[in-house]
Amino acid sequence: DIQMTQSPTSLSASLGDRVTIACRTSQNINGYLNWYQQKPGQAPKLLIYLTSTLQSGVPSRLSGSGSGTEFNLTISSLQPEDFATYHCQQAYGVPWTFGQGTKVEIK
Amino acid sequence: QVQLVQSGAEMRKPGASVKISCKASGYTFTGYYIHWVRQAPGQEFQWMGRINPTTGGTSWAQRFQDRVTMTRDTTTTTAYMELASLRSDDTAVYFCVRSDEGEDWFDPWGQGTLVTVSS
Repeated sequence: DIQMTQSPTSLSASLGDRVTIACRTSQNINGYLNWYQQKPGQAPKLLIYLTSTLQSGVPSRLSGSGSGTEFNLTISSLQPEDFATYHCQQAYGVPWTFGQGTKVEIK
Repeated sequence: QVQLVQSGAEMRKPGASVKISCKASGYTFTGYYIHWVRQAPGQEFQWMGRINPTTGGTSWAQRFQDRVTMTRDTTTTTAYMELASLRSDDTAVYFCVRSDEGEDWFDPWGQGTLVTVSS
């Protein structure tokens, strides 16, 4: 199975901050990397697929980048609705696997 | 709108089975795969398997292959996941999710079904 490692596990940030979450994979996944947002008590929501393509309706302050085994999710200016847990997922090889999540909290 | 609505929370004893339903609406049911993903407390999401609603064909993660059964009813646009021989570490929230063929990102997600396994 492809192992996924997200960092940090959690972070505290203020409104307007630029935030970057990293996701490392145990092998090259050719850009097949997706990001989800999960808020407490809610189902996850797809944000970005294939490394950098924003899902319809996702604000442009979110962006994805990376290649090979290193990927990032960046929020350019943190808004109140962005405080949540973010998960990466590889879609290169079965079984699809997920990172352990990064919780973004208010400082 | 595209929606997946799951059945309610379940409680089972170790060794029992549980069957969860996932009612799809707002799109052509046979046009997209349905996957099952679970999240145990404090753990990352685990992909369990998927079903092709058109053919009924399934594939699953090796760790679940002896215990999971995925089926669908195209007349009611409902997918089902049954997990047998439950253990305490099967306690988790189970989600059904949709993906297009060849596009293995998940959207949308069902609301989740909590399964608690306890004696």
